[in-house]
Amino acid sequence: TQLLEQSPQFLSIQEGENLTVYCNSSSVFSSLQWYRQEPGEGPVLLVTVVTGGEVKKLKRLTFQFGDARKDSSLHITAAQPGDTGLYLCAGALPTSGTYKYIFGTGTRLKVLA
Amino acid sequence: NAGVTQTPKFRVLKTGQSMTLLCAQDMNHEYMYWYRQDPGMGLRLIHYSVGEGTTAKGEVPDGYNVSRLKKQNFLLGLESAAPSQTSVYFCASRSGRGSGEQFFGPGTRLTVL
Repeated sequence: TQLLEQSPQFLSIQEGENLTVYCNSSSVFSSLQWYRQEPGEGPVLLVTVVTGGEVKKLKRLTFQFGDARKDSSLHITAAQPGDTGLYLCAGALPTSGTYKYIFGTGTRLKVLA
Repeated sequence: NAGVTQTPKFRVLKTGQSMTLLCAQDMNHEYMYWYRQDPGMGLRLIHYSVGEGTTAKGEVPDGYNVSRLKKQNFLLGLESAAPSQTSVYFCASRSGRGSGEQFFGPGTRLTVL
């Protein structure tokens, strides 16, 4: 059974603080995706990282894929209340002509004004 | 362009009853997936499909069946519901390019009493 461990599970911080969320696995992924999910809705893609060592920035969010493509991190600079939500990482594994995705358990972030 | 839609949004079943969850996508995507989301466990893959007329088992397929008779629709069936199947069910689809973005539906919240 492939596992993708995500930490921390919960995070409550003040507006303006920085934070980092981690996803770690023993599996090598073809790519890794980060999603954000609002209550009552499905996850929405933030970014996909494909190459080992890749770094992508999306405004105040920085995503990094580990060199061995087994781990990833999401760093948020100067968090805002609008960043509140559930953040999920998902690793893509090739299987039978497609990919299946292993999801982390999620990080529930609350940013207090 | 509605993206991915799911019906129903909510359902309450008694143990032993059956039901079918419908997922529809209008993006002409080849691949479709069914996940369940439980607290503290992230999303787990139930079944997936690589094209019309094909289905395959995911991580947690027991107690579920699926069909993909039309490219745009992916049905998830519960023949004899059990309380352990109480969950939020998400359908997702993606195009055939690489291991990229999955588009998720809004989810179906199922309670089995």
